[in-house]
Amino acid sequence: EIVMTQSPATLSVSPGERATLSCRASQSASSYLAWYQQKPGQAPRLLIYGASTRATGVPARFSGSGSGTEFTLTISSLQSEDFAIYYCQQYDNWPPTWTFGQGTKVEIK
Amino acid sequence: EVQLVESGGGLVQPGGSLRLSCVASGFTFSNSEMSWVRQAPGKGLDWISYISSSGNTIYYADSVKGRFAIFRDNARNSLYLQLNTLRAEDTAVYFCAGSNTRSEFPYWGQGTVVTVSS
Repeated sequence: EIVMTQSPATLSVSPGERATLSCRASQSASSYLAWYQQKPGQAPRLLIYGASTRATGVPARFSGSGSGTEFTLTISSLQSEDFAIYYCQQYDNWPPTWTFGQGTKVEIK
Repeated sequence: EVQLVESGGGLVQPGGSLRLSCVASGFTFSNSEMSWVRQAPGKGLDWISYISSSGNTIYYADSVKGRFAIFRDNARNSLYLQLNTLRAEDTAVYFCAGSNTRSEFPYWGQGTVVTVSS
């Protein structure tokens, strides 16, 4: 079973600054890596899939990269609406499982 | 507009049962692969069950295998999760989530709260 580990647990960033979030898989993951944003009391929102493809309607300041065991979500210039918790999620096709990281909270510095 | 609306949550005693429902609109439900994902209070996201578009392929996380059952009614654009032998650790917000592919979830409901307590 693949374990997804996100770092840091909390990231304090000033508006307008760049944020870099990391996600590490315990064993080599496929390119089925997605990132989600979740705000309090809301459902998660898909941001990135296939490690680097932005979902429909996601602003260009969000970008994903990585392969193998190391993946990164970058928010190029943080806006007020970007302060939230971010989760990575990996799909393993055998046995079929969908595994989320524990999340990174991006908070206002 | 894509919508997934869950219902059926509530307070139940340990060992009890509940059935959750999720009604879909705004996309072709019968072509979509669906899952249930839960989130315990203050915790992260936890995938628990998947069902293929036809309903013929089903998977469960080990934590719920043998206790929960997923099924769907494509004629009613509806997804269900039968929760049996509930435990305190099943307390969570339960989200239905969908996709046209298997690997990620672009569609989410707002969640329904299940509380297991005596």
